[in-house]
Amino acid sequence: AQKVTQAQTEISVVEKEDVTLDCVYETRDTTYYLFWYKQPPSGELVFLIRRNSFDEQNEISGRYSWNFQKSTSSFNFTITASQVVDSAVYFCALIAPFSGGYNKLIFGAGTRLAVHP
Amino acid sequence: NAGVTQTPKFQVLKTGQSMTLQCAQDMNHNSMYWYRQDPGMGLRLIYYSASEGTTDKGEVPNGYNVSRLNKREFSLRLESAAPSQTSVYFCASSEGSGTPIGNQPQHFGDGTRLSIL
Repeated sequence: AQKVTQAQTEISVVEKEDVTLDCVYETRDTTYYLFWYKQPPSGELVFLIRRNSFDEQNEISGRYSWNFQKSTSSFNFTITASQVVDSAVYFCALIAPFSGGYNKLIFGAGTRLAVHP
Repeated sequence: NAGVTQTPKFQVLKTGQSMTLQCAQDMNHNSMYWYRQDPGMGLRLIYYSASEGTTDKGEVPNGYNVSRLNKREFSLRLESAAPSQTSVYFCASSEGSGTPIGNQPQHFGDGTRLSIL
């Protein structure tokens, strides 16, 4: 069965601290895709990154970085020098086969990050 | 630069009433989706449309119907609203068509907060 686990329900940090959000996934497929989405207090869902199972290179985008490790089935997300604007719920998601040729997006339960001044 | 537009943003219904949630995207995407978001459960797929003229059930389709009116618009209808359908509803779209779909990042609207009394 396919599953995404975000064990950290809530994280609270002080501005400028680094913070890592954990994501562990389960799938039997050899080809799969992983995503991170951000949901700020305003409620919309913002796409952050997509990674396919054949690309284990870490990625950095400004203060954001992602560490994909197939050996531990993890796709962790680190925010360096956090800012108040980073406060949001972050979702990790996995693409998995569903039916009729459609790949379903399976979401984790989300991690709520609060960054305090 | 609208992306995915959902209307209305908020709605309160009485049990048994019907209503249609509207969604339109201006990115020329083939695939569109409806999700519901409930506390602690991430997002769950209600229905999806792989291309204009086709619709298919997702994980939780009971109590809902959809219409892919054209390439831009994908509406969700509650025929007889129930309190269990109180939720936040998100519409999304993505590129790609054919089999399989869903590997491309999905772009979400701002959501519709629906309360059923």
